[in-house]
Amino acid sequence: KAGVTQTPRYLIKTRGQQVTLSCSPISGHRSVSWYQQTPGQGLQFLFEYFSETQRNKGNFPGRFSGRQFSNSRSEMNVSTLELGDSALYLCASSPWTTLDEKLFFGSGTQLSVL
Amino acid sequence: ILNVEQSPQSLHVQEGDSTNFTCSFPSSNFYALHWYRWETAKSPEALFVMTLNGDEKKKGRISATLNTKEGYSYLYIKGSQPEDSATYLCASSGGGKSTFGDGTTLTVKP
Repeated sequence: KAGVTQTPRYLIKTRGQQVTLSCSPISGHRSVSWYQQTPGQGLQFLFEYFSETQRNKGNFPGRFSGRQFSNSRSEMNVSTLELGDSALYLCASSPWTTLDEKLFFGSGTQLSVL
Repeated sequence: ILNVEQSPQSLHVQEGDSTNFTCSFPSSNFYALHWYRWETAKSPEALFVMTLNGDEKKKGRISATLNTKEGYSYLYIKGSQPEDSATYLCASSGGGKSTFGDGTTLTVKP
């Protein structure tokens, strides 16, 4: 089985631009969650999607949004980029829920905002 | 405890040493406790998910215990090997989301 695939691996943007990151979960997994890691910080939960619906959301501004498609693939969008958005963005999938199932992580997208 | 806290922040041991880390989490609104291993340049890999007070899980030389009443979990590594070098993350699930600690970085010297 193919693992969780995130594209692109690296991205460089400038302040004010917007960016879209993509995540393809393991086949058959219906839950996709997104996390941000900045230097010195643990993984911060962004949001979780299940069956095309956002099920939970972390404490991030409205500039961070996402969606999930009928094939469970998910995208995350960040508008009006700020320097502080530079981070590693990880997505993870699980069959049903992120709460009591093991998460399978992708390799991440390293976003640099200049 | 309001957040998930891990200690120590980093640990250096010799090959063959046994070691353990602590994860403290809010005991209210608790649903599950996760442990992940994150090696450099790789993706975090799930080790264990525990839900019940007193749960113990084992995978090879690595084991974990859970105390939901007092809000802590221990991860043990017996006979550390250089390939065990990684950052070990714990996460507490509850209230619809998972909250991760900052991790314990283990370095095992040959």
